[in-house]
Amino acid sequence: GENVEQHPSTLSVQEGDSAVIKCTYSDSASNYFPWYKQELGKRPQLIIDIRSNVGEKKDQRIAVTLNKTAKHFSLHITETQPEDSAVYFCAASPNSNYQLIWGAGTKLIIKP
Amino acid sequence: EAQVTQNPRYLITVTGKKLTVTCSQNMNHEYMSWYRQDPGLGLRQIYYSMNVEVTDKGDVPEGYKVSRKEKRNFPLILESPSPNQTSLYFCASSTYTDTQYFGPGTRLTVL
Repeated sequence: GENVEQHPSTLSVQEGDSAVIKCTYSDSASNYFPWYKQELGKRPQLIIDIRSNVGEKKDQRIAVTLNKTAKHFSLHITETQPEDSAVYFCAASPNSNYQLIWGAGTKLIIKP
Repeated sequence: EAQVTQNPRYLITVTGKKLTVTCSQNMNHEYMSWYRQDPGLGLRQIYYSMNVEVTDKGDVPEGYKVSRKEKRNFPLILESPSPNQTSLYFCASSTYTDTQYFGPGTRLTVL
């Protein structure tokens, strides 16, 4: 079955700098890759997603890139702000049963 | 307003006392799922349902039951809760396009 690995587990960056979180997946049939943000004490919320027919997607300061050959995808946050501090989860969907297979999460810390 | 609701939000109970956590969505989603979240372990899927009367086990189903008698509701049942089921529980729903929407979470403590 699908397996998703996420790195790093903790990332600390200076406010204004960029942050990159990477995920790898094992099932080449996976075709949907969402990223969720979870602030302390709150529910995970979708921030961006990408499908396998697209290599890159951008939404203001957030972008996701997908490399199907290498089976990895990354979240890029530019010009980080204090409100970006949260735990970020990646996921992959093999689409066989509409499940999402989740990465373990990355705690992003923005230093003032 | 489109939403996933869970009740109760907080629950403290004792070992062995049966409990039900309700989950309801008003988006006509086919797919619903239950997760538990423990520190350092991310989101682990307990059960999921692809439609009414169709349920299947996730990664950590032991000690839990679910039912899907109506499309909008997907309750999580703990027949005999134990302390190792102390956790934060999330319900989620989606269409078959896979974007999952989460409920606000239920923090359960089993003494």
